Amino acid sequence: NAGVTQTPKFRILKIGQSMTLQCTQDMNHNYMYWYRQDPGMGLKLIYYSVGAGITDKGEVPNGYNVSRSTTEDFPLRLELAAPSQTSVYFCASAGGRLTEAFFGQGTRLTVV
Amino acid sequence: DQQVKQNSPSLSVQEGRISILNCDYTNSMFDYFLWYKKYPAEGPTFLISISSIKDKNEDGRFTVFLNKSAKHLSLHIVPSQPGDSAVYFCAGGGYGGSQGNLIFGKGTKLSVKP
Repeated sequence: NAGVTQTPKFRILKIGQSMTLQCTQDMNHNYMYWYRQDPGMGLKLIYYSVGAGITDKGEVPNGYNVSRSTTEDFPLRLELAAPSQTSVYFCASAGGRLTEAFFGQGTRLTVV
Repeated sequence: DQQVKQNSPSLSVQEGRISILNCDYTNSMFDYFLWYKKYPAEGPTFLISISSIKDKNEDGRFTVFLNKSAKHLSLHIVPSQPGDSAVYFCAGGGYGGSQGNLIFGKGTKLSVKP
């Protein structure tokens, strides 16, 4: 019953450092998403994928990269961390269109 | 430009009464809509969805209404319970090159008072 698992749960980065936020799902879902939620704001879509090998930009892709080499995993890469990337990041997966997306618990990232 | 708008940041309702949460959208390409509920320090959880070809979907205490001509949808919770207190997000999806796009509004914080 793991669902969508995100690691790490918390991270502090220095400006200019890089890191990868991991996301894995065990529901064999084709659709996967990365969102960020800034304080008092809604969820902004960073990148999404509709299957292995296919990724598309969302609303706020700048400063991020993704890959989808397997159905299960959808890592999000920050190459040069900036304070503007301080946020809570959520990964989600869905079986397809019109089906509910299941969310992970989130990763709280602070860039100082 | 916000494609999905939830113009009420908060809503307070008495237990047992109806809660009505509203959502407007600008993108006529959305194929379906979903409502999510979020508690602090947790990921959002799915509540109910509606296809753009329908105008109503009901699931227990939750009903979603869609008015395509007005580009408006609403979530009705009847009767409201204190456990419904959370932030509610509206989302539109199904467009874009791979039709996997899923765009959220800013959310409405619902408080249900006993």
